[in-house]
Amino acid sequence: EDQVTQSPEALRLQEGESSSLNCSYTVSGLRGLFWYRQDPGKGPEFLFTLYSAGEEKEKERLKATLTKKESFLHITAPKPEDSATYLCAVLVFGNEKLTFGTGTRLTIIP
Amino acid sequence: GAGVSQSPRYKVAKRGQDVALRCDPISGHVSLFWYQQALGQGPEFLTYFQNEAQLDKSGLPSDRFFAERPEGSVSTLKIQRTQQEDSAVYLCASSRRDSREAFFGQGTRLTVV
Repeated sequence: EDQVTQSPEALRLQEGESSSLNCSYTVSGLRGLFWYRQDPGKGPEFLFTLYSAGEEKEKERLKATLTKKESFLHITAPKPEDSATYLCAVLVFGNEKLTFGTGTRLTIIP
Repeated sequence: GAGVSQSPRYKVAKRGQDVALRCDPISGHVSLFWYQQALGQGPEFLTYFQNEAQLDKSGLPSDRFFAERPEGSVSTLKIQRTQQEDSAVYLCASSRRDSREAFFGQGTRLTVV
């Protein structure tokens, strides 16, 4: 069974304090790994897709990386508006559904 | 429209009542997905359509759940004889044929009392 585990469950950072969120996965055959941001009361907002180990993608203060077992979402010099829940999901060969982790709730303190 | 639209945003149902949740996907998106999200959890897959064909319904929790997309655009998720454990946010997502990137709506929060 495909499994996605995110850590930590919650993270509080001071504004400007860089850190990383982890997403480890156990799947039969990875087609893609996705990062989403979810604000309270809203649907997930697409951030990145990574397809192969070694791949990296960046967007503003966020950078996502991928290895054969895990992905990291690095956040550099975060601002309060980066506060949200960050969800990781995998897509595997043989079906079209995303399997999500439980998310990391990130709070950036001004 | 510019994004995936879901209605209603909030629904309160009495236990045993039937409900229908609507999803308007992004225009031209072939694939449509329904997910269920419990409080503090990640979304869980319910069902998937490609155009009007329901290709995967393996995540529907019981035969009380039914989804349709008769014309390959708007989709409806119906829950019959609602129970308290059905309380959750129901998310709809759509994507283009040539893309794996799914765009989500804001969800419908269903509360069964």
